[in-house]
Amino acid sequence: GDSVTQMEGPVTLSEEACLTINCTYTATGYPSLFWYVQYPGEGLQLLLKATKADDKGSNKGFEATYRKETTSFHLEKGSVQVSDSAVYFCALSERGFGNEKLTFGTGTRLTIIP
Amino acid sequence: SQTIHQWPATLVQPVGSPLSLECTVEGTSNPNLYWYRQAAGRGLQLLFYSVGIGQISSEVPQNLSASRPQDRQFILSSKKLLLSDSGFYLCAWNDGNAKNIQYFGAGTRLSVL
Repeated sequence: GDSVTQMEGPVTLSEEACLTINCTYTATGYPSLFWYVQYPGEGLQLLLKATKADDKGSNKGFEATYRKETTSFHLEKGSVQVSDSAVYFCALSERGFGNEKLTFGTGTRLTIIP
Repeated sequence: SQTIHQWPATLVQPVGSPLSLECTVEGTSNPNLYWYRQAAGRGLQLLFYSVGIGQISSEVPQNLSASRPQDRQFILSSKKLLLSDSGFYLCAWNDGNAKNIQYFGAGTRLSVL
């Protein structure tokens, strides 16, 4: 079945450091890929997405590129801020019978210190 | 615009007690609805999904059940809670035309003691 493997956390960085959170996937077809973010005490919000190979999703300074050859979708940001502290989830979705089911990774907790 | 509401935000229940968590969506019709659980130190696990009124699919065998009595209402229930039911429960919706994007509620943190 489909699965998503994420970099183990927690990750602690200083403000303005570079960030990479690794994500790899296994899927039988051609999934869409997502990064969701969960701020403290809140539900999940979509951060960015990519629907086909070589697509780059971007939002709030974060980027991730859909790499079919390495089955990866790593999340990157050049300069993190304290407000980026959250849990980040990589996910994939394959269409099935009109219901779009998401498969999530275990999440990576990111803490940015001033 | 569409909004999703979950309640309660937090809940502390004794083992063996019943459970009812409610989720409603506004501003859309015939959404796909989902219940996820996030256990401590683990990722999100899809519990149930529904593509229409009275249509429920279960992803994993468990102590919980779900119902969809109205188009935009999704209820998660249990007759007798177990300690292992503790976790963060998230409701989500998708309109089937938004290219797989799901929109999540704020979640309910359930502690079973």
